[in-house]
Amino acid sequence: EADIYQTPRYLVIGTGKKITLECSQTMGHDKMYWYQQDPGMELHLIHYSYGVNSTEKGDLSSESTVSRIRTEHFPLTLESARPSHTSQYLCASSGGHMTQETQYFGPGTRLLVL
Amino acid sequence: AQSVTQLGSHVSVSEGALVLLRCNYSSSVPPYLFWYVQYPNQGLQLLLKYTSAATLVKGINGFEAEFKKSETSFHLTKPSAHMSDAAEYFCAVSYISGGYNKLIFGAGTRLAVHP
Repeated sequence: EADIYQTPRYLVIGTGKKITLECSQTMGHDKMYWYQQDPGMELHLIHYSYGVNSTEKGDLSSESTVSRIRTEHFPLTLESARPSHTSQYLCASSGGHMTQETQYFGPGTRLLVL
Repeated sequence: AQSVTQLGSHVSVSEGALVLLRCNYSSSVPPYLFWYVQYPNQGLQLLLKYTSAATLVKGINGFEAEFKKSETSFHLTKPSAHMSDAAEYFCAVSYISGGYNKLIFGAGTRLAVHP
């Protein structure tokens, strides 16, 4: 079944640790996105990719980095986690004609940095 | 510049009552508009989208939205609320920036449905 997956779903980690949030999709989409969502707030785009070896920073500045080595995989890494990174991170993918295409979202990862 | 405003961060209705969630947009070009729903501890699920084919758009779970250019609005409605409709709803507008397609989301409206 075509879907988009995120692991872990929940993560509690100490300050200074390196973390990688995983995102994979079996939708066959070429475009993938990472959003950050604080409780009760809108989603903010932090990274996006339009294909393998293509990554761009989004509208919201983030200390995280991403890579796109395989079409279906778009991991997000924080080299040194801080409490200010506590948030929910949502991965999405899309494919099709530019402005009409729909972004499909994974279940999200809730990150708590102590 | 494109933007989305959702009026009312919290809406509460009785089961069986009309649901109306408001969304106004600002766009310098013909917009493509979306409504997403987010259930607790889940990602976003597409409810419906407007792509200029018809002003009244029907979505899943009995929801529909009407695009009104004169009012720059895209309000979401459902004739009869169900307990399972309790969730967070996000309106979004799609736009092109630097050759890339992006979505701008509103702040969301939390819908509560009480018996």
